[in-house]
Amino acid sequence: QKEVEQNSGPLSVPEGAIASLNCTYSDRVSQSFFWYRQYSGKSPELIMSIYSNGDKEDGRFTAQLNKASQYVSLLIRDSQPSDSATYLCAFLTGGGNKLTFGTGTQLKVEL
Amino acid sequence: DVKVTQSSRYLVKRTGEKVFLECVQDMDHENMFWYRQDPGLGLRLIYFSYDVKMKEKGDIPEGYSVSREKKERFSLILESASTNQTSMYLCASSLLPLDLDYGYTFGSGTRLTVV
Repeated sequence: QKEVEQNSGPLSVPEGAIASLNCTYSDRVSQSFFWYRQYSGKSPELIMSIYSNGDKEDGRFTAQLNKASQYVSLLIRDSQPSDSATYLCAFLTGGGNKLTFGTGTQLKVEL
Repeated sequence: DVKVTQSSRYLVKRTGEKVFLECVQDMDHENMFWYRQDPGLGLRLIYFSYDVKMKEKGDIPEGYSVSREKKERFSLILESASTNQTSMYLCASSLLPLDLDYGYTFGSGTRLTVV
């Protein structure tokens, strides 16, 4: 079993809709989770992190964490074509020293 | 902002060559990492270092070595390049312990092709 599972997509949503990206993890010890966005040919950039159960909002982005069910999700409201990218989920491991990444979900926002 | 600079954006090397990929960060981060990224496989950790002259193997260290002689510089070495090492290589740095609000900062990547 992979440590972090993400649906590779592509996930297609119309402009203005809510995009929902999901990630499940196997390590019950994991406490901190990260969402990165990666445009084609570019390096990943941090969107937000979450380490408490519940929701965390930052602008159009909301991260949701459910430790009991071992999943973390990212909601993007009012999706824009500029949101089209691959979204990587990651969790902190190695004694709090390194991140383990999922394979990413490709999001396409269509006009 | 932290800047992580990778010396080359694109590299083409021949099978059997010794290849050096350089990474420099300018914000006094303790942690530095080398990942490779391949389609369908995501980001896989090759090596990381939490201090000068310290190194730890990641998930796929075979065929690679690293060097960290100065805090700001972390080099990845392909001892004898092979075609299966054709990939995008990403360097990253972070504070130790990891700052949860900033995570890693990545370099722009080096796309290595081994022919």
